[in-house]
Amino acid sequence: QQQVKQSPQSLIVQKGGISIINCAYENTAFDYFPWYQQFPGKGPALLIAIRPDVSEKKEGRFTISFNKSAKQFSLHIMDSQPGDSATYFCAARTLNSGGSNYKLTFGKGTLLTVNP
Amino acid sequence: DAGVTQSPTHLIKTRGQQVTLRCSPKSGHDTVSWYQQALGQGPQFIFQYYEEEERQRGNFPDRFSGHQFPNYSSELNVNALLLGDSALYLCASSLGLLINTEAFFGQGTRLTVV
Repeated sequence: QQQVKQSPQSLIVQKGGISIINCAYENTAFDYFPWYQQFPGKGPALLIAIRPDVSEKKEGRFTISFNKSAKQFSLHIMDSQPGDSATYFCAARTLNSGGSNYKLTFGKGTLLTVNP
Repeated sequence: DAGVTQSPTHLIKTRGQQVTLRCSPKSGHDTVSWYQQALGQGPQFIFQYYEEEERQRGNFPDRFSGHQFPNYSSELNVNALLLGDSALYLCASSLGLLINTEAFFGQGTRLTVV
């Protein structure tokens, strides 16, 4: 059961272009939406995150847009660089069943390639 | 701050064997979550440990078990290995009691079952 749907599966962008990755969810219990960046052979690293009461968050070249009514959110990478080539995962956070801790549900990932 | 450390980094096991993976959380963190990441897929939640107890389990069979020690480090054990258990196993640490901190991931253990 995939609770967070991510698209596209892969994306090729020219240097300087805009990369856009989209995610959708159904579970209204999700309360926090982080994006992770993963390079080959490494664990995911937090890139940027947003709460559902905010429609947009920007950090440098990275922006999250959030549409609560549509249950969709997206990552925009402005002025994409070859060093941005990696796999990007959207995730959604919810409480565990005991209510003591949070856990993450991930999308399937988007392989971004930025050509020089 | 060493961050989240996992060992070993790579492991090759034979079908039917048992394996133990280890994780040391980021300094100050008390919660450890384990994820399985198959090739080309997103991480899938296995289970989470807090106060040395399993707090929640994902959709994984009982062959997957774990433990958390008093120093907050954790082990993931997998019995009767199957070829399909080949994956990158990720450990993430965070703070419990709903303290709003991010989850930090280790570099993972690449398990290959042959």
